[in-house]
Amino acid sequence: GENVEQHPSTLSVQEGDSAVIKCTYSDSASNYFPWYKQELGKRPQLIIDIRSNVGEKKDQRIAVTLNKTAKHFSLHITETQPEDSAVYFCAASSRGSTLGRLYFGRGTQLTVWP
Amino acid sequence: KAGVTQTPRYLIKTRGQQVTLSCSPISGHRSVSWYQQTPGQGLQFLFEYFSETQRNKGNFPGRFSGRQFSNSRSEMNVSTLELGDSALYLCASSLEVRDSLYTKNIQYFGAGTRLSVL
Repeated sequence: GENVEQHPSTLSVQEGDSAVIKCTYSDSASNYFPWYKQELGKRPQLIIDIRSNVGEKKDQRIAVTLNKTAKHFSLHITETQPEDSAVYFCAASSRGSTLGRLYFGRGTQLTVWP
Repeated sequence: KAGVTQTPRYLIKTRGQQVTLSCSPISGHRSVSWYQQTPGQGLQFLFEYFSETQRNKGNFPGRFSGRQFSNSRSEMNVSTLELGDSALYLCASSLEVRDSLYTKNIQYFGAGTRLSVL
């Protein structure tokens, strides 16, 4: 089945700096890649997603890039703020035999220092 | 629209007991997935149900089981509880948006049930 690796596991940045979280996947049939943010004590929530026919997608301060050839995708957060502090999960899914399942990375704890 | 509702929010059980957790998905969503979350272990996939059928299964022992009803509500059951089963159990409902090439599987999570096994 699919295997999603996520790095780094922890990331500390100063407020205003950029943060980058990287994920790799193994199944070339994966074609949908969402990112979830989980604040302390809260449920994971979708923040951005990308399909495999798109190389980059932006939404205000966050962006996701996808390299299908290398099978990796990344989350970029610019001008970080303390409220960006959370655990971020990447995920992948396909329309194949595992339709309906999201394969999650192990998460990145992002801390933004004021 | 009401969000995903999980009950109960907290549970305390002792080893050897069994427990049933409930998840009511967003109206119209037919897929329900279950995850176990422990510190440092991320989101461990348990299983996914779609239209009352288990469509995907993770690598958990047979003590973990689930089902889905005709109204899409889902339950998961853990029998013979072990100390290591202490965790936050999250369910997520999804509405699959399909076109000719892609299925966008956006999962909406409930607040979870925190299970403590003593």
